[in-house]
Amino acid sequence: GQQLNQSPQSMFIQEGEDVSMNCTSSSIFNTWLWYKQEPGEGPVLLIALYKAGELTSNGRLTAQFGITRKDSFLNISASIPSDVGIYFCAGHGSSNTGKLIFGQGTTLQVKP
Amino acid sequence: DVKVTQSSRYLVKRTGEKVFLECVQDMDHENMFWYRQDPGLGLRLIYFSYDVKMKEKGDIPEGYSVSREKKERFSLILESASTNQTSMYLCASTRLAGVFGVSYNEQFFGPGTRLTVL
Repeated sequence: GQQLNQSPQSMFIQEGEDVSMNCTSSSIFNTWLWYKQEPGEGPVLLIALYKAGELTSNGRLTAQFGITRKDSFLNISASIPSDVGIYFCAGHGSSNTGKLIFGQGTTLQVKP
Repeated sequence: DVKVTQSSRYLVKRTGEKVFLECVQDMDHENMFWYRQDPGLGLRLIYFSYDVKMKEKGDIPEGYSVSREKKERFSLILESASTNQTSMYLCASTRLAGVFGVSYNEQFFGPGTRLTVL
């Protein structure tokens, strides 16, 4: 099935640093979602974006819906050890089934 | 808060056994999904359902079947488990899109079932 191109694949950073990751698609999406998955758990929704150009924050997390509707970005400011996990982007196009297209994930490790 | 629960967190089965994975959501969502997650392969859709007794194949349906007899419950069935079905299985649900032109496509996931087939 179709997948999104998510980068980077992994990041190993120092506590306090800012983090950026992004997803790109060859198709236009109407919704972009960002999830975080901790080891042994299911993904948890962090941010949902519904309009091109939309910028939404959730605490230290900020995500943007790209103007072209083919990309999205997630930034984490001042990272802390509990930010460790896998971050997934997901996009929804025009189908009415609710099916999402997922990125491969960005694994984030934070060194205290 | 939306709650999606899965019947087991960890399961160990033998090759050839019939395996049932249960998923229940409490938000009256119409759509429910089953995924498997493997390292390096991301989330892959096995089956989804958009209504009671309705189902559609996802990207990797071979070796699996599903059942949706009640709106809140979606079951994944491995008719004859094989070692290559060892994986993390995730259930998700979402409400139907399109209320006054606004689409809500947020999927809410359960905690996952880590299945090992020996």
